[in-house]
Amino acid sequence: QKEVEQDPGPLSVPEGAIVSLNCTYSNSAFQYFMWYRQYSRKGPELLMYTYSSGNKEDGRFTAQVDKSSKYISLFIRDSQPSDSATYLCVSQGGSEKLVFGKGTKLTVNP
Amino acid sequence: DADVTQTPRNRITKTGKRIMLECSQTKGHDRMYWYRQDPGLGLRLIYYSFDVKDINKGEISDGYSVSRQAQAKFSLSLESAIPNQTALYFCATSDSGPQETQYFGPGTRLLVL
Repeated sequence: QKEVEQDPGPLSVPEGAIVSLNCTYSNSAFQYFMWYRQYSRKGPELLMYTYSSGNKEDGRFTAQVDKSSKYISLFIRDSQPSDSATYLCVSQGGSEKLVFGKGTKLTVNP
Repeated sequence: DADVTQTPRNRITKTGKRIMLECSQTKGHDRMYWYRQDPGLGLRLIYYSFDVKDINKGEISDGYSVSRQAQAKFSLSLESAIPNQTALYFCATSDSGPQETQYFGPGTRLLVL
């Protein structure tokens, strides 16, 4: 079992929709949880990170971690066509190497 | 100018050929990584280096080798390319710290015929 599991989608939504992207992880040692965004033909880039459990909000984006259930979520409010990308769920623990989920491809249709 | 550059951006080669992918960074980071990305498999770590004298295997190092020529340069070699090494290859860098942000290059698209 891969340490970070993520539904690959693809996910297609209309502009303005609320998007929910989700991951689960298996390693209790993970403490940092990140979302990377990857546009087509580009390298991934950090979108948000959270430490331990809780919520973190940045504009239209909210990252949520529930360590009791080992569940990671990213919510996008008022989604825009420019949000169309692949979203990678990432965890980090004591080894300091990042563990990537396979990514969820999101398309926001105008 | 881009902080992490990769050359070449695209490469077509034949089975059995030796090829080298190069990565340079201007971020001043000590840590550098090589990943490959395949549809349905996500990003997988090939090799990583925490400083110039440190080289470590990742989860899929077989068939690959690396060289850390300087803090800013990290090369990936395929000694004898095979078709299942066809993939998108990314170099990344990071600073050390409890929460590590990796900065990725634009990728090299490799096709092995």
